[in-house]
Amino acid sequence: DVKVTQSSRYLVKRTGEKVFLECVQDMDHENMFWYRQDPGLGLRLIYFSYDVKMKEKGDIPEGYSVSREKKERFSLILESASTNQTSMYLCASSFFETEPYQPQHFGDGTRLSIL
Amino acid sequence: QQQVKQSPQSLIVQKGGISIINCAYENTAFDYFPWYQQFPGKGPALLIAIRPDVSEKKEGRFTISFNKSAKQFSLHIMDSQPGDSATYFCASPGAGSYQLTFGKGTKLSVIP
Repeated sequence: DVKVTQSSRYLVKRTGEKVFLECVQDMDHENMFWYRQDPGLGLRLIYFSYDVKMKEKGDIPEGYSVSREKKERFSLILESASTNQTSMYLCASSFFETEPYQPQHFGDGTRLSIL
Repeated sequence: QQQVKQSPQSLIVQKGGISIINCAYENTAFDYFPWYQQFPGKGPALLIAIRPDVSEKKEGRFTISFNKSAKQFSLHIMDSQPGDSATYFCASPGAGSYQLTFGKGTKLSVIP
């Protein structure tokens, strides 16, 4: 079974802190994604990566950056956390295709609270 | 930016009934429409997907219907069970991208 592991289930940080969310997948997937999930807003794509050191902005990249130094690991960085970044963060991975037919496999999320 | 409109936001169905969730998309480069199911405390997981040149796909009690001219697709859950209680997300690729845009989700509650 594909396993996407997010390092923390719950995280509490303070405004202005630099926050790192880590995600690791064990299926040799090329694509990795970071989403945030908010009630009534669904899943919104922050960033994705289709290869090591490659990244593409999603729909809501402002205030975030990402790092992918190894194929299996994709990090989301909040450079200076703000209260409006309190949310559930979901990481996903999939095989690469030029069409979107490969299913995305999600981790169980990190609930981040910024105080 | 692609938008996917999903309705209803929440749905309560009696056990044994039919649950219907609808989605509408704007433009897409690929006729690929997956549905993801999410249980509390878990990440979403692919439930069923329909690929190009197919107007309907059935897997057990779950059916996707696709109407290309109306730019709509829907999920039907037949003989709904309490174990189907979850949040369901539809998704669609964008016009110029193979990345998925998700709907806002439907919280389904199946009551005994």
